[in-house]
Amino acid sequence: QVQFVQSGAEVRKPGASVKVSCKASGYIFTEYNIHWLRQAPGQSLEWVGWINPADGNTLYSEKFQGRVTLTRDTSAATTYLDLRSLRSEDTAVYYCARDPTVNDFFDYWGQGTLVTVSS
Amino acid sequence: DIQMTQSPSSLSASVGDRVTITCRASQTIDSYLNWYQQKPGQAPKLLIYTSSNLHSGVPSRFSGSGSGTDFTLTISSLQPEDFATYYCQQSFVTPTFGGGTKVEIK
Repeated sequence: QVQFVQSGAEVRKPGASVKVSCKASGYIFTEYNIHWLRQAPGQSLEWVGWINPADGNTLYSEKFQGRVTLTRDTSAATTYLDLRSLRSEDTAVYYCARDPTVNDFFDYWGQGTLVTVSS
Repeated sequence: DIQMTQSPSSLSASVGDRVTITCRASQTIDSYLNWYQQKPGQAPKLLIYTSSNLHSGVPSRFSGSGSGTDFTLTISSLQPEDFATYYCQQSFVTPTFGGGTKVEIK
């Protein structure tokens, strides 16, 4: 069955960086784009960007351009989100999710990773 | 960005009730509208994609309709496991989500 397992919760100080991983299983990793989204406490969902695991191409939300990098390791079926220059407003649960049709909807999600930014 | 507006933001209903949630886009999005269910402490789950297509394994009491700017999610007979928050999401351009509708027990 399709499954995504994300890395554990992180705490960072403002200005620091964080790297979150998302390991896929149950399907051919290179066949579907992986998106990253986030959800601040008590808020709705926000799209961060996507990566094509086959060729590494990426697209980022303008809001995060310059602060975020998505990468992948095909041998480990894992994608990574790297977010820099963290501020308190980045405190959120970060999710990876699969796009089954390149139509930008998400059929399977990771369990989420809480990133807390606090001095 | 396309703004997505859901209504109501919350509702109280009883088991067996018919529930309708609406979602309005700030500009036309054809049928590129998806619905998710989220329970506390869990990731969202896909219910409906491209307005009216039921995701695999989702009970048939869930249905979606609409095109252009106005969409609805209907639960024909509310079950205990359906108490959750529901989000719409447009995939016409850069994905954006509605603010959510919390369905609570009456």
